[in-house]
Amino acid sequence: EVQLVESGGGVVRPGGSLRLSCAASGFTFDDHGMSWVRQGPGKGLEWVSHINWNGRNIDYVDSVKGRFTISRDNAKNSLYLQMNSLRAEDTAFYYCARVAQHGGAGLAFNIWGQGTLVTVSS
Amino acid sequence: EIVMTQSPATLSVSPGERATLSCRASQSVGGNLAWYQQKPGQAPRLLIYGASTRSSGIPARFSGSGSGTEFTLTISTPQSEDFVVYYCQQYNNWPGSFGQGTKLEIK
Repeated sequence: EVQLVESGGGVVRPGGSLRLSCAASGFTFDDHGMSWVRQGPGKGLEWVSHINWNGRNIDYVDSVKGRFTISRDNAKNSLYLQMNSLRAEDTAFYYCARVAQHGGAGLAFNIWGQGTLVTVSS
Repeated sequence: EIVMTQSPATLSVSPGERATLSCRASQSVGGNLAWYQQKPGQAPRLLIYGASTRSSGIPARFSGSGSGTEFTLTISTPQSEDFVVYYCQQYNNWPGSFGQGTKLEIK
């Protein structure tokens, strides 16, 4: 079964750090680019960061640049998101998502994890 | 940045009545448009890509149409489990952008 399982969410104070992990199974992990997408409480979907299959091409939404770092370990079939200098507005469910190869210069996602909740609060 | 606008925000339909959800792009995205379904407490699920191609395992009652800037998701005969939230997303331009969602509710 194709599956993505996130972990590492929790409650953190503003300015704090968290590291999210995403374990992939059921497919050839290093054949695919991967992204993190977040959803604030009662809000819509926002792409956060992307890493290509070999980790050499990386991008972030402007609001997290300089604070978040995406990485992957293909030997462990795992994706990570290091989140530093967290702010209240970073509070959200964070989903890891597999990039679909359906053409276009942008990113569509055909497999999603169940999400992990990050709450930034004092 | 391409802005995706979905309408209406909430769509009320009677069981068995066709549901038509709309999505408009602020500039042409060609056919690079996806639709996702999100049930409460769950992650989004890809329904449609390429504006009209159903993803694996998606029932035939879901269909997508459109190109350029105007797109439609149609649910021919909504089942009880279909009354949830739907998002469109363009992936024509980097990195892509989502609409704000349409909630389908039972009238």
